[in-house]
Amino acid sequence: GENVEQHPSTLSVQEGDSAVIKCTYSDSASNYFPWYKQELGKRPQLIIDIRSNVGEKKDQRIAVTLNKTAKHFSLHITETQPEDSAVYFCAALPYGQNFVFGPGTRLSVLP
Amino acid sequence: GAVVSQHPSRVICKSGTSVKIECRSLDFQATTMFWYRQFPKQSLMLMATSNEGSKATYEQGVEKDKFLINHASLTLSTLTVTSAHPEDSSFYICSARSGPRNTEAFFGQGTRLTVV
Repeated sequence: GENVEQHPSTLSVQEGDSAVIKCTYSDSASNYFPWYKQELGKRPQLIIDIRSNVGEKKDQRIAVTLNKTAKHFSLHITETQPEDSAVYFCAALPYGQNFVFGPGTRLSVLP
Repeated sequence: GAVVSQHPSRVICKSGTSVKIECRSLDFQATTMFWYRQFPKQSLMLMATSNEGSKATYEQGVEKDKFLINHASLTLSTLTVTSAHPEDSSFYICSARSGPRNTEAFFGQGTRLTVV
């Protein structure tokens, strides 16, 4: 089955700097890759997603890149702000199956 | 986006009692809902897939007699933790997809269960 790894597990950046979180997946049949942001005690919220027929997607300060050949995808946050501090989860979805989530990255944006 | 509502958000119960958690899709029909468990500082672990009108599909290691799932309608799935014990204390989250496969999953608010 699908296996998703995520690095780093924790990440601290200075406000205004960029943050990058990387995920790898194992199942070449996966074709949908969302990223979720979860604040403490709250539900995960979708922040951006990408499908396998696209290599990059951007939404304001957030971007996701996908390398199908290498089976990895990354989340890029530019001009980080304190409110970006949260746990971020990547996920992969093999067609016809259930989401497999990465272990999460705790991002801290330091003022 | 679609809305998934989960209740209660917090519950404290005595050891040995049962607790029911509801998950509702408010503005769409969800033929399939998912139940996750999340321990502190850990990822979402899928417990079971809830299918409307049929038995739930449980992940390996999840006791189906302890975690009863009912999906009686296209907008409601329930998870009942039976004979709860302190080790069942956790954050339980449901989710549902709003469309065909390979689409966004919307999550409920989550339920913080504490068994004392």
